[in-house]
Order: sequence, then C-alpha cells, then structure tokens
Amino acid sequence: GAVVSQHPSWVICKSGTSVKIECRSLDFQATTMFWYRQFPKQSLMLMATSNEGSKATYEQGVEKDKFLINHASLTLSTLTVTSAHPEDSSFYICSASLAGFSYEQYFGPGTRLTVT
Amino acid sequence: GQNIDQPTEMTATEGAIVQINCTYQTSGFNGLFWYQQHAGEAPTFLSYNVLDGLEEKGRFSSFLSRSKGYSYLLLKELQMKDSASYLCAVRDWGAYGGATNKLIFGTGTLLAVQP
Repeated sequence: GAVVSQHPSWVICKSGTSVKIECRSLDFQATTMFWYRQFPKQSLMLMATSNEGSKATYEQGVEKDKFLINHASLTLSTLTVTSAHPEDSSFYICSASLAGFSYEQYFGPGTRLTVT
Repeated sequence: GQNIDQPTEMTATEGAIVQINCTYQTSGFNGLFWYQQHAGEAPTFLSYNVLDGLEEKGRFSSFLSRSKGYSYLLLKELQMKDSASYLCAVRDWGAYGGATNKLIFGTGTLLAVQP
C-alpha cells in the first residue's frame, strides 16, 4: 500500500525557535496533503489542506503565519512551526491522498513536538 | 456546524464482540471512515462506507445509515491487540463549493480489551 513518512519523528525545541516537519509520500504522487494536530487523549484536528503548487487552505482558527505550509512537489510537503511556544507542543500528523477525491488518506507516523 | 459524536471509552472482554457507535451532523457527506489508532502512532485505515448498509472485512464490520446520520464499527473475536482508539471520520463534500477530500474526525473511542 501507499507509504507516507514524516521527519523527524520527534523533536524538542526551545521556546521562540522554529521547527520544520517534513511529510513525504514514498511510492506515489500526492496531489493533496493534509496536516493534523492531536493533543493528548483528543482526536485529530485538521489544520490545513495543502495542494501541490498552490497555497494551503487553513482551517478556521489556525494561524497561517505561524504554521507555514509548503507543498513544492508531488511527494513533499513541509510544515514549519514558527516562533514555537509550549502550547504548540503536540503530535503533528500528515496524510496524503492519491488524487483529490480518492477515498482514502494515507497517514504518516506523526511527529511529536515538545517546546520547552 | 460540524459535529461527530462517539463514546469516549468502552471496555470489552477478549473473545467478545463490541459495537462502537458514531453519529454525525455535517454540512456535506461523501463517505465515512473508521480508523484505528494506537497510542503515539498514526491512524490506520479500517473501513469505508459511502452507501447505506454493512461492509464486512474479516473481524471488522462497519454499518452506515445516511438518513439517520449514524454508523457503527463492529469488532468480533476481540483480541488484546485491539485495545486502541477508534476514530470515526466523515469526508466532507461541498464545504468550499465543490468536492473535497477533507476528513472531519470524531472525538475517538478508547477501547480497552480485558482478559
């Protein structure tokens, strides 16, 4: 099946610094990638939808200047958390779909971000 | 607004059958998914329903009633490894004026399987 990777799997950073998380589709071309955030014991909250070659669409309440998303190719999307604060500590998960209306999203293994 | 409800926690016995319910109220509907998620890991796909009825896949079955905004996931012959969170997700349609592959997740149900 389709494989999605994320890097890094975990990261610890100091408050005020920026962190970049990569999401790659390893064996297929992903027209659309999605970024989710998950706090402990809560469900996945969609942050933004990323389409290759165009600007990301952010969900209501998600600051686009704080969470920068770039989808420069059909196999790579990046999420940069700028000026991270402890409240940004969370589990960030990306997913990719084969085509815009594919019936399934393939999830990456997630990135655990801890901001100290 | 968008609302997807699931029980927060459930407990069942190894070898038994458990049904996890999901009710939804969304602006659009283009299919319902069930995912399994172990702690600290990404969700893994279990099932997909877009038409009313039952979809069976080994020990897992999923049912959908679009008129009632209702789905359930049925797990048979429970095993200890089935202890996980089970996420119900609705694929939106038309929220931005057209088709979309956006998923709206429910709160998740934490299932504990006991010996």
